[in-house]
Amino acid sequence: AQSVSQHNHHVILSEAASLELGCNYSYGGTVNLFWYVQYPGQHLQLLLKYFSGDPLVKGIKGFEAEFIKSKFSFNLRKPSVQWSDTAEYFCAVSPYTGGFKTIFGAGTRLFVKA
Amino acid sequence: NAGVTQTPKFQVLKTGQSMTLQCAQDMNHNSMYWYRQDPGMGLRLIYYSASEGTTDKGEVPNGYNVSRLNKREFSLRLESAAPSQTSVYFCASSEQIHRLGQPQHFGDGTRLSIL
Repeated sequence: AQSVSQHNHHVILSEAASLELGCNYSYGGTVNLFWYVQYPGQHLQLLLKYFSGDPLVKGIKGFEAEFIKSKFSFNLRKPSVQWSDTAEYFCAVSPYTGGFKTIFGAGTRLFVKA
Repeated sequence: NAGVTQTPKFQVLKTGQSMTLQCAQDMNHNSMYWYRQDPGMGLRLIYYSASEGTTDKGEVPNGYNVSRLNKREFSLRLESAAPSQTSVYFCASSEQIHRLGQPQHFGDGTRLSIL
């Protein structure tokens, strides 16, 4: 079965620290990849997406993610986090042949200390 | 532009009661989805509707039914609520181009507690 693994369930950082959240998936074919963010009390919002082309994708608020096909990974990065980045982050994968379904990871809760 | 609107935002039910969660989108999207979000488990797909007039089961459909009333509206019904259905429910919609998964737009969620 297709699955998405997010390695860290909880991450605590101080402001200005660098962030990397891991995401691995188990589907071998073509995929669309997404990172969503859920701020406290809010709904999920799209942070960035990868469909094809340059494997380094830039999203909103200074976030970026790198697709490494050989490692089935799509890790999220930010060079310097802010207190306002405190949120839950979800990696999601949409396999090409199952285009109507998107599989979400369990999420990573990030807390940034001011 | 409201996006995806869910009602109600909060609800408490007794075991065995029935309830319908409403969802409407104003983005002219073809596809709509219902998820439940539980701690440590991310989002799990309950049902989805690829286009008006079609519905399909997702990962956790048991105990739920859905209706795609028209292109805008997609409702989720709990016929006989159980405590295991206590969760936060999210509705989402997306364009559906060919067979590629598109980014989804989410509603604000419904917090449902079953006593």
